[in-house]
Amino acid sequence: GAGVSQSPRYKVTKRGQDVTLRCDPISSHATLYWYQQALGQGPEFLTYFNYEAQPDKSGLPSDRFSAERPEGSISTLTIQRTEQRDSAMYRCASSLAPGGSEQYFGPGTRLTVT
Amino acid sequence: ELKVEQNPLFLSMQEGKNYTIYCNYSTTSDRLYWYRQDPGKSLESLFVLLSNGAVKQEGRLMASLDTKARLSTLHITAAVHDLSATYFCAVDTSKNSGGSNYKLTFGKGTLLTVNP
Repeated sequence: GAGVSQSPRYKVTKRGQDVTLRCDPISSHATLYWYQQALGQGPEFLTYFNYEAQPDKSGLPSDRFSAERPEGSISTLTIQRTEQRDSAMYRCASSLAPGGSEQYFGPGTRLTVT
Repeated sequence: ELKVEQNPLFLSMQEGKNYTIYCNYSTTSDRLYWYRQDPGKSLESLFVLLSNGAVKQEGRLMASLDTKARLSTLHITAAVHDLSATYFCAVDTSKNSGGSNYKLTFGKGTLLTVNP
């Protein structure tokens, strides 16, 4: 596509529910990143994929967070048993290749856990 | 752990004035990015700096990278209201980590307000 798209744009969920966020990267891009951005802060790295491989999960805050990119294109980020502290903007970015390659960001999904 | 510090965090300036935003980082890297974020919007890439001494200019903004000092600057010339936004620097350490560690580490951002 023309840019990185994410859905839903807004998600309100109750504590304890599972949520799944979706990212559709730029079609020619091999690498896809997930970031979490708290209000008034810069994005913080969660995980990334190179095609379908997920070499780095070091930023995932707990085992309640998981991500997939089974066919090397669209990715999902799932948060199980959501907690209020999970409320944040979740941003996806993609780049042509890992390292030294500009990352293009999507519009984000604003998650609110009540 | 890599630390990326921006200053100032808040900048209020008058139209027509010049100012510089600084981005210091704590580990070796020769790849640094500047992004702009408008309220409620996504991050827009401004500059990609990939070597020591790199300087890039676009309109009233100029970015530079000094890898020896671990410092990047974003200089604003003759500010106009349209430049009001939050500016982030982000450091990429992948080249110096032997081809791993591809994440970007962001500063906290500088909220720039340009007043008439």
